[in-house]
Amino acid sequence: DVKVTQSSRYLVKRTGEKVFLECVQDMDHENMFWYRQDPGLGLRLIYFSYDVKMKEKGDIPEGYSVSREKKERFSLILESASTNQTSMYLCASSLTGVAQETQYFGPGTRLLVL
Amino acid sequence: GENVEQHPSTLSVQEGDSAVIKCTYSDSASNYFPWYKQELGKGPQLIIDIRSNVGEKKDQRIAVTLNKTAKHFSLHITETQPEDSAVYFCAASMISGYSTLTFGKGTMLLVSP
Repeated sequence: DVKVTQSSRYLVKRTGEKVFLECVQDMDHENMFWYRQDPGLGLRLIYFSYDVKMKEKGDIPEGYSVSREKKERFSLILESASTNQTSMYLCASSLTGVAQETQYFGPGTRLLVL
Repeated sequence: GENVEQHPSTLSVQEGDSAVIKCTYSDSASNYFPWYKQELGKGPQLIIDIRSNVGEKKDQRIAVTLNKTAKHFSLHITETQPEDSAVYFCAASMISGYSTLTFGKGTMLLVSP
């Protein structure tokens, strides 16, 4: 079974803090994604990566950056957390870069920025 | 870019009834339409998908239909059970290059015993 793990289920941070969300997949997938999920807004793509050290902006990249130094690990970085970044963050991975591949999601990290 | 509208936002049914969730998309180039189910406390999981060369696909109690002319697709769940209670997301994308999925806003389905 594909397993996507996220470093924290719940996280509380203060405004202005630098926040790191970590995601690891164990199936040698090429593609990894970061989404945020908000009530009434569904899943919105922040960034994705189709290879080590490669990254592409999604629909809402402002205020976020990402890092992919190893194939299995994809990190989302909030350089200076703000209250409007309070949300559920979901990481996903897929086998190849083709859009029709199934995306496998982690359980999510619920981030509260005070 | 692609825009996916999903209705209804919430749906309550009695156990054994059928449930239908509808989605429309804007980009006529989209040709891949997956459905994901998200149970409480978990990440979304693919339950069924359809490609534009097919009009309907079934998997036990779940079916998806696609009308490319009208640019809409639907998820049908028959003989609903309490364990079908979850949030369902439709999505659309093009099968080319590194196209990404555009998700609908989700439908919360509640099946009452």
